[in-house]
Amino acid sequence: DSGVTQTPKHLITATGQRVTLRCSPRSGDLSVYWYQQSLDQGLQFLIQYYNGEERAKGNILERFSAQQFPDLHSELNLSSLELGDSALYFCASSPTGLSGNTIYFGEGSWLTVV
Amino acid sequence: AQTVTQSQPEMSVQEAETVTLSCTYDTSESDYYLFWYKQPPSRQMILVIRQEAYKQQNATENRFSVNFQKAAKSFSLKISDSQLGDAAMYFCAYRSAGSNQFYFGTGTSLTVIP
Repeated sequence: DSGVTQTPKHLITATGQRVTLRCSPRSGDLSVYWYQQSLDQGLQFLIQYYNGEERAKGNILERFSAQQFPDLHSELNLSSLELGDSALYFCASSPTGLSGNTIYFGEGSWLTVV
Repeated sequence: AQTVTQSQPEMSVQEAETVTLSCTYDTSESDYYLFWYKQPPSRQMILVIRQEAYKQQNATENRFSVNFQKAAKSFSLKISDSQLGDAAMYFCAYRSAGSNQFYFGTGTSLTVIP
């Protein structure tokens, strides 16, 4: 158990709909990352937050947005869903500071768009 | 941006034998961290081993060890006495000491043959 909690674990929704994925980082971790992994694909970095502020943005679509709340949990909002958005969405967290911290992954949220 | 390259999309090894997975990276920085993550069929991302660039000694975790060649920017993972449970996708990752950004390779799928 990495200590990173993601909900829901599985989600099936229809095209055009909107979903919210939730992530609670490890206790004390200020950085939260979101990654997308499609079937048989590598990890695509979406976005990173640090203590509530957006820190880095990767290949995140305009239909997607995220935020990190004062209690450090984060949400990834996916709207106007398309079939191609079906994927495993990982949240990860890392500790504060810049001294060789490791990134810890949650178990992922499986999103299926039908 | 830094890049991480895993040139072996697939590898196989006989049970109890040794296998080496390759990883190279491109960076102009001198202080950074390297990681290997394992993703079994459950799709959970599990940290296998970590190496600090300032350490000359190669990291070891039980049957897993790395061959870190800083000048060559190479970071290979050696799995000794391979077990069926080692079958997974393996991702190499890089992180600069001055950043919370993580860069992942495209992964190597390892099959263990009984």
